[in-house]
Amino acid sequence: DGGITQSPKYLFRKEGQNVTLSCEQNLNHDAMYWYRQDPGQGLRLIYYSQIVNDFQKGDIAEGYSVSREKKESFPLTVTSAQKNPTAFYLCASTPGPGGDQPQHFGDGTRLSIL
Amino acid sequence: EDQVTQSPEALRLQEGESSSLNCSYTVSGLRGLFWYRQDPGKGPEFLFTLYSAGEEKEKERLKATLTKKESFLHITAPKPEDSATYLCAVQAADSWGKLQFGAGTQVVVTP
Repeated sequence: DGGITQSPKYLFRKEGQNVTLSCEQNLNHDAMYWYRQDPGQGLRLIYYSQIVNDFQKGDIAEGYSVSREKKESFPLTVTSAQKNPTAFYLCASTPGPGGDQPQHFGDGTRLSIL
Repeated sequence: EDQVTQSPEALRLQEGESSSLNCSYTVSGLRGLFWYRQDPGKGPEFLFTLYSAGEEKEKERLKATLTKKESFLHITAPKPEDSATYLCAVQAADSWGKLQFGAGTQVVVTP
């Protein structure tokens, strides 16, 4: 079955540590997105990528970095500069860049601070 | 600035008790409005896309409607398995694929 796989499901970060969240899709989608979800708030866009080797900052990119070296992979690194990283992180994709297609989501990674 | 407000924040229903969720939005030209269902610890699951005022879409016990300022998600004769958080998101005409999400409505349906 096609879909989006996020790993790990749970992740713990120590002070001063960078951690990387994995997002892999086998839907052959061009566009991929990273969101952060906090209790009582809507999903907020961190980064998005329309095509391989290209990505743009979303609304809350500070303290995060991404890469898009392969069409199926869009890893997110939470750096030590992100002072409040505890949240539920969601990866999504759409078939093409832009447009009005619905975004398909993975099942998320929950990041906590040790 | 694009804005999406969902109400109520939480809703508790008896099985079979129909109700509606509201999604009010302000956006500079609507390209699409999306409804998602999210179960605890899971990613959002796509339900509907609405594009223009007057449009309606149905799926089992759910029906979504759209006006120029808001969308409603009607739940008819809900069952316990309809318990979830329902998210609304809008895409502005000039936003390229970017969605603005509301905070969601948590629905609990008791037997």
